[in-house]
Amino acid sequence: GNSVTQMEGPVTLSEEAFLTINCTYTATGYPSLFWYVQYPGEGLQLLLKATKADDKGSNKGFEATYRKETTSFHLEKGSVQVSDSAVYFCALRKEAQGAQKLVFGQGTRLTINP
Amino acid sequence: GAVVSQHPSRVICKSGTSVKIECRSLDFQATTMFWYRQFPKQSLMLMATSNEGSKATYEQGVEKDKFLINHASLTLSTLTVTSAHPEDSSFYICSAESAGELFFGEGSRLTVL
Repeated sequence: GNSVTQMEGPVTLSEEAFLTINCTYTATGYPSLFWYVQYPGEGLQLLLKATKADDKGSNKGFEATYRKETTSFHLEKGSVQVSDSAVYFCALRKEAQGAQKLVFGQGTRLTINP
Repeated sequence: GAVVSQHPSRVICKSGTSVKIECRSLDFQATTMFWYRQFPKQSLMLMATSNEGSKATYEQGVEKDKFLINHASLTLSTLTVTSAHPEDSSFYICSAESAGELFFGEGSRLTVL
């Protein structure tokens, strides 16, 4: 079946550090891939997405590239800020399952210290 | 973006009682909403798809008689946990689609004593 595996947290970094959160997936066919972010006390928000191989999603300084050969969608940011502290979820959506069903990774809690 | 709101954000109840959680789309209409459950340090698991005006579609392994879902209007879906037990304690999250994107509520933390 379809599944998503994320780097285990929690992750703690200093401000301006480089961030990588690993995400790999298992799926048949060509799923769409997503990163969601959950700030404290808020609902999940879409951070970025990629719908086909080699696509790069980007938003708020975060980037992730859809790598079909390694079945990965790692999240990166060159210089993190305290305001990036949140829980990050990698997810996939496969077309055959319909537009809305998402399969999530377990989430990675990120804390940025000033 | 579109806003989805859940209520209550936290609820504590006694074992054997029923608890209702509401999910509202505040500025758009949603014919379909989704209910997820999240255990500590685990991913969100889809429980069911809530369809306005018809029966919900439950994922495999989810007891439809324990987790009653009603979607009576285009802006409101409710999840009722019936005869709750401590093992039902969890974080419940709803979502709804608008313009091809999913929007999530803040989540409701249920604690059953």
